[in-house]
Amino acid sequence: EIVLTQSPGTLSLSPGERATLSCRASQSVSSSYLAWYQQKPGQAPRLLIYGASSRATGIPDRFSGSGSGTDFTLTISRLEPEDFAVFYCQQYGSSPYSFGQGTKLEIK
Amino acid sequence: EVQLVESGGGLVQPGGSLRLSCTASGFTFSGYAIHWVRQAPGKGLEYVSAISSNGGSTYYANSVKGRFTISRDNSKNTLYLQMGRLRAEDMAVYYCARARSDWYGDAFDIWGQGTMVTVSS
Repeated sequence: EIVLTQSPGTLSLSPGERATLSCRASQSVSSSYLAWYQQKPGQAPRLLIYGASSRATGIPDRFSGSGSGTDFTLTISRLEPEDFAVFYCQQYGSSPYSFGQGTKLEIK
Repeated sequence: EVQLVESGGGLVQPGGSLRLSCTASGFTFSGYAIHWVRQAPGKGLEYVSAISSNGGSTYYANSVKGRFTISRDNSKNTLYLQMGRLRAEDMAVYYCARARSDWYGDAFDIWGQGTMVTVSS
């Protein structure tokens, strides 16, 4: 089973700043089958990025994903007030399709 | 509107059973694999189960294998999760989520709003 470790656990930033979230896998994620999701309180997760770097439908271009193998990054270029939430990475290249433990992005 | 709507959650005693449903609308249900993902109160996301678009292939996390059964009725646009021998650690919000393709090895692009399962005596 692939274990995903996200860092940091909590990230405190201000609107307008750049956010960099990390996701490290315990073994290589095949074909970059890595996704990022955003979850706000009381809501279901929302797909942001799939295939490590492709934006899902309707996702603003301030969200970008990069990486391959075992190291992946989600970058939010310029934070908007609505971006603050919990973010999860997920690998779907190898069963079970595990999630990271999440990074909470909070307003500083 | 493309959506998934879960139902069937509720309070059940340890050792009991419950069946969750997930009804799809706004897209061709039979063309997509569907997953179940759960989230315990205040915790992260945990992958539970998956079924291919035609129902011919299924997958279960080790934590539920032998206790849960996933199935689908494409004529009714509905996914099911039959849960048995429930434990306290099964208590969570259960989400159904659509894979981007007919095979479950793809990202989850549509999620339901979730249904809460409480396991308590």
